[in-house]
Amino acid sequence: EIVLTQSPGTLSLSPGDRATLSCRASQNVNNYLAWYQQNPGQAPRLLISDASSRATGIPDRFSGSGSGTDFTLTISRLEPEDFAVYYCQQYGSPPPLTFGGGTKVEIK
Amino acid sequence: QLQLQESGPGLVKPSETLSLTCSVSGGSISSPTYYGGWIRQPPGKGLEWIGSIYYSGSSYNNPSLKSRVTISMDTSRTQLSLKLTSVTAADTAVYYCARQRGYCSNTSCQLLFESWGQGTLVTVSS
Repeated sequence: EIVLTQSPGTLSLSPGDRATLSCRASQNVNNYLAWYQQNPGQAPRLLISDASSRATGIPDRFSGSGSGTDFTLTISRLEPEDFAVYYCQQYGSPPPLTFGGGTKVEIK
Repeated sequence: QLQLQESGPGLVKPSETLSLTCSVSGGSISSPTYYGGWIRQPPGKGLEWIGSIYYSGSSYNNPSLKSRVTISMDTSRTQLSLKLTSVTAADTAVYYCARQRGYCSNTSCQLLFESWGQGTLVTVSS
């Protein structure tokens, strides 16, 4: 099973700041990595697939990068609605699909 | 617009079977492009993939749940079902269904969770 480690656990920032979230895989997943955003009380929403492709309707302030074992989600300028929990998910291996433990982006 | 809606009992007794249904409207999960999947999230914790099913009936489950999971799709292919047997308090979670895009086999599972239901909380307690 591939383990995904997200860091930091919590990121305290202000609106307008740049956010950089990390996801590290225990094995090579090539570029088969997705990012999801989850607001309180809501289901997760797909943001990024294939490490760097934005999903339909996702603003361009969200960008993903990386390949192999190290990946980054960057939010260029935080909007109020961006304060949420972010999860990475790998899909580059035999089952099971796995998620990281999440990074909470909170208002400083 | 695709909508997925989970339904089922909100309270299940220990050792019994958890049964949930996901109704799909405004779109399809029954095409070669898509799978239907289940994910759960214990209160205050992260996400865990439970399993996925292809419209042909092929299904793939998380080995951590061993043989307790059965995922099925009805003949109209507008409903997914989840059954989880011998539940314990550790199975208390919000359960989500999702439409997935990609491909899965026993050697490679390249599935994204493209669209999600709103989730339903299932509590295991006597």
